[in-house]
Formats: sequence, C-alpha cells, structure tokens
Amino acid sequence: GAGVSQTPSNKVTEKGKYVELRCDPISGHTALYWYRQSLGQGPEFLIYFQGTGAADDSGLPNDRFFAVRPEGSVSTLKIQRTERGDSAMYLCASSPLGVGPNTGELFFGEGSRLTVL
Amino acid sequence: SQKIEQNSEALNIQEGKTATLTCNYTNYSPAYLQWYRQDPGRGPVFLLLIRENEKEKRKERLKVTFDTTLKQSLFHITASQPADSATYLCALEGNSGYALNFGKGTSLLVTP
Repeated sequence: GAGVSQTPSNKVTEKGKYVELRCDPISGHTALYWYRQSLGQGPEFLIYFQGTGAADDSGLPNDRFFAVRPEGSVSTLKIQRTERGDSAMYLCASSPLGVGPNTGELFFGEGSRLTVL
Repeated sequence: SQKIEQNSEALNIQEGKTATLTCNYTNYSPAYLQWYRQDPGRGPVFLLLIRENEKEKRKERLKVTFDTTLKQSLFHITASQPADSATYLCALEGNSGYALNFGKGTSLLVTP
C-alpha cells in the first residue's frame, strides 16, 4: 500500500484479555517501530525491528508485551492479560533504513486505539 | 536522564502571525533533530530534519533553528493559517541509536 497500515483502528477489550495489533509497513522499508501514545503525551518508544529481528526492545514496559515480525514485513504487537493502564493509541512507523542524520524520517500509520475496560 | 521539553501550554495565535514553538533537551548529544505534526486521532507526520551543523533550515512557511550550545530548537510558522492548527512534536535520537524519542508536543491553535 501507499502508507503504513494498522489494524484494527479501534479495539475495546476487557481487563485480562489478550490483544493483537497489526502493522503493515511501507513496502521495502526494513525498519519498523512500535510506539505507544497516551492522551496529552508524545509517542513513547516500545520496540524497533530491523528486518525480522528486534534490534531494540528496551521500551516494552513488561513481559506482557511482545512483538514479532516473522518475514520482515508485517508486524504484530501482542499484549497479554491486558490492564486498564494499557489503554492508549498504539502507533506503528516504518522507514527505509532506520533513523539517522541522512536517512530521514519515520512514516507513521494512523494508529490502533486500544481501550481496556 | 534524557529529557525533551516542549511548551506544555497551548499556543493560541491569530491568523497571519508567526508562531514560534520551543524544544529544549537535556542529556542528549544529538546529531540531528526532527519536527513532526500530529492532528487529533492521527499519526504524526514528518516536517523537517535539521542536522547539528545546520543553524537554520527552511521549508515553505516553516523555519527551524538548532542551537546545540543552548540545547534548543525553535520551530517557526510564518503567515500562520487556521489549517496549521495541530500538535507539533520535537524528536531526538535516543541513546540506543535506533529510535526517536519524542517530546510531549505543543498544541497550536490559529484563529481567523
């Protein structure tokens, strides 16, 4: 597709349930990022993939959060035993090579809004 | 710890005026800095990247300055329009060198 696609756009779930959020990056972009954004805050880094591997998962808040990118394209963010505090907008971004002074910007999707009741 | 600080209060200006937004940072030694625009309920959109050896960069009605001594970037929108109303985010590369860290953003409202 032309841009980064995220599904679902909205997800409402109950506390304790399992959730999967999907990201389809721009074709050919090897770098993929997940961010979480709460109301009134900036995006908070969660995890970065270069190809199939998670090069940096230092932003994942705890072991209930996990992400995969098995074929180096589509990525899935998985949240187990959801808590109300997980409610936020989850943003996916991709870039051709990754961040840097010469490699330009991140291309963001429109996000998946997660609400945990 | 690393911090990126942006004006927490919304900036309200009249159409046609110049909007100036501030981004201050601590405990970063950035090679570059980026600015993004975010509309409500949407993902951020890249606007400009400025490198450490560039004092100023322009793109149409946008101008960004970068002072590594003051540890500050200023983002200007000249001849502002109501369509410029949005939240503007400042971003710097984190310690890992892999990801961008974002400030909280400053909300800009341009009234006719």
